[in-house]
Amino acid sequence: GAVVSQHPSWVICKSGTSVKIECRSLDFQATTMFWYRQFPKQSLMLMATSNEGSKATYEQGVEKDKFLINHASLTLSTLTVTSAHPEDSSFYICSAREARHSNQPQHFGDGTRLSIL
Amino acid sequence: QQQVKQSPQSLIVQKGGISIINCAYENTAFDYFPWYQQFPGKGPALLIAIRPDVSEKKEGRFTISFNKSAKQFSLHIMDSQPGDSATYFCAALQGAQKLVFGQGTRLTINP
Repeated sequence: GAVVSQHPSWVICKSGTSVKIECRSLDFQATTMFWYRQFPKQSLMLMATSNEGSKATYEQGVEKDKFLINHASLTLSTLTVTSAHPEDSSFYICSAREARHSNQPQHFGDGTRLSIL
Repeated sequence: QQQVKQSPQSLIVQKGGISIINCAYENTAFDYFPWYQQFPGKGPALLIAIRPDVSEKKEGRFTISFNKSAKQFSLHIMDSQPGDSATYFCAALQGAQKLVFGQGTRLTINP
C-alpha cells in the first residue's frame, strides 16, 4: 500500500527556533500534499494544501508566514514552523494523495509531535 | 453544510461485542466516505471506505452501512477486540477536494 513517511517523529526545541518537518511519499507520486494540526483529543484540522511546483493554499486563520510550506517535488513536502512559540506545540500530520487518483482519499504520515519549551 | 457530525464522542464495549459509530452529513455532493483509525501518537490509517452508490461494504470484522436518503453512515465493528481500542474518524470527500473529518470517537474495548 501507499506509504507516507514523516520526519522527525518528535522534536523538542526552544522558543524562537524554526523547525522543519518533512513529508515524503515513498512509493507513489503525490501532486497534492496536505498538512494538518491535531490537538489532544480533537479531530484533525487542515492547515494547508500544497501542490507540487506551486504555492500552498492556506486555510482561514492559518498564518502563511508562520507556517512555511514547500512542495518542491512529487515526493516531498516540507512544513517549517518559523520562530516557534509554546502555543505552536502540537501534533502535525501530513498526508499525500496519489497523482493518478485525484478522487481517492489521502494516505497519512505518522505525525510529528512538536514541543516548544 | 461542509460538516460531518460524528457520535458518540466515546464508546466502551466489551470484548466480543459490536461497536457502532455513527456519522451524518449535509452536503449531498460528497461522493466518498472513508473511515480512519488512529492509535495514540500515530497518524490516521484508512480502515474502510464506501461510495454512495452502495448501501453496505464489509471488510473482515468492519462494515460500513450507508443510508443515502438519511445522509447517514455508520461503522460497525463485529467481535470487537482490545486491539481495536483507538480513535475512529469518519470523513467525507467531494471529488478532488479536501477531506472533511468528523469529531472522532474514542473506542475502548474492555477485555
